[in-house]
Amino acid sequence: DAGVTQSPTHLIKTRGQHVTLRCSPISGHKSVSWYQQVLGQGPQFIFQYYEKEERGRGNFPDRFSARQFPNYSSELNVNALLLGDSALYLCASSSIAGAEETQYFGPGTRLLVL
Amino acid sequence: GQQLNQSPQSMFIQEGEDVSMNCTSSSIFNTWLWYKQEPGEGPVLLIALYKAGELTSNGRLTAQFGITRKDSFLNISASIPSDVGIYFCAVKGGSEKLVFGKGTKLTVNP
Repeated sequence: DAGVTQSPTHLIKTRGQHVTLRCSPISGHKSVSWYQQVLGQGPQFIFQYYEKEERGRGNFPDRFSARQFPNYSSELNVNALLLGDSALYLCASSSIAGAEETQYFGPGTRLLVL
Repeated sequence: GQQLNQSPQSMFIQEGEDVSMNCTSSSIFNTWLWYKQEPGEGPVLLIALYKAGELTSNGRLTAQFGITRKDSFLNISASIPSDVGIYFCAVKGGSEKLVFGKGTKLTVNP
């Protein structure tokens, strides 16, 4: 069975541009979460979506937005890119949104902002 | 905000040695998780702990949920080269999010 898939794998953008990252959850999973991992740090929570509704939001500016589609795939959008947005963006899926649900991570999209 | 203190930051060991790393917090949590991340990959869940005092094993890995619910440790016995990676502790931080430590980078010399 396919795990969580993310696209693209790598991306280079310049300051001020906009980026869209995509995630397909494990088949049957309805919850998708997004994390940002800066080099040398642990992942930081950005958003969680369940059944197309936002269930949680981390401490990120409004330049970051996301949505979930009827097939449970998700997009993360970042506007007005800054150098500090350079990071590995991870998507995780789980079957439901709940305290004891295991989140399975994809390989990530590595974004470099120049 | 919620913060996990993970130590050590890095470890360099010989193959066959045992490894111990830990994670502490100033807050109480009801779930502690340990993940491993290899280069070019996302974190993979190794062990999940749901009860204070719980000791859980997964092969050569053993993790414990501290009785105060403010700490956890992970032990790896008889390390092998494929144990190389970054190990993260994580907790359920509310609003369905995971809060991660900064990681322990493990290097195993054959």
